[in-house]
Amino acid sequence: KAGVTQTPRYLIKTRGQQVTLSCSPISGHRSVSWYQQTPGQGLQFLFEYFSETQRNKGNFPGRFSGRQFSNSRSEMNVSTLELGDSALYLCASRLGYDTGELFFGEGSRLTVL
Amino acid sequence: DQQVKQNSPSLSVQEGRISILNCDYTNSMFDYFLWYKKYPAEGPTFLISISSIKDKNEDGRFTVFLNKSAKHLSLHIVPSQPGDSAVYFCAASASGTYKYIFGTGTRLKVLA
Repeated sequence: KAGVTQTPRYLIKTRGQQVTLSCSPISGHRSVSWYQQTPGQGLQFLFEYFSETQRNKGNFPGRFSGRQFSNSRSEMNVSTLELGDSALYLCASRLGYDTGELFFGEGSRLTVL
Repeated sequence: DQQVKQNSPSLSVQEGRISILNCDYTNSMFDYFLWYKKYPAEGPTFLISISSIKDKNEDGRFTVFLNKSAKHLSLHIVPSQPGDSAVYFCAASASGTYKYIFGTGTRLKVLA
């Protein structure tokens, strides 16, 4: 069974640009969550999707957005990049509707210059 | 406001001894808790979970204890092995919120 796949794994952007990250969940998982990991901050919740609907959103500015497609694949977009957006962006999927363990991908490491 | 706190950024333990990682939370609505392990350049890997109806859950060398009155949980690893060296995150969720709140992590180093 394939795990959670995130692309690209690494990318470098400059301030003001935008970026789109992709996540393919484990087959059969309909819930996809996104987290931002920065040193000293742990994993900060960005948003969660289930069946193409955003069910919750973290405390991030509107420059951070996401969506989920009918095949459960998800994308997140960050517009007008800032230096502080440099981080590891992790996607996780789960089988359960509400609780249950999250299965994480390896992450997309974004560097903003 | 950090609802889930791991107050020890790092911990060193001798191989074969017990490792105890602690986690405190402030939100009394949290009813499901998980522990994850993360190696560099990899995504977090699920270790063990516990729901609020239990106070202990075991899986091999890993045991999680939950003290609801103190809003505290801990992960015990016995015996500790060098391969356990990683960053450990605890996470909590409240039913119906569809999100997990993670702590900032504790870096465990198991010395051979």
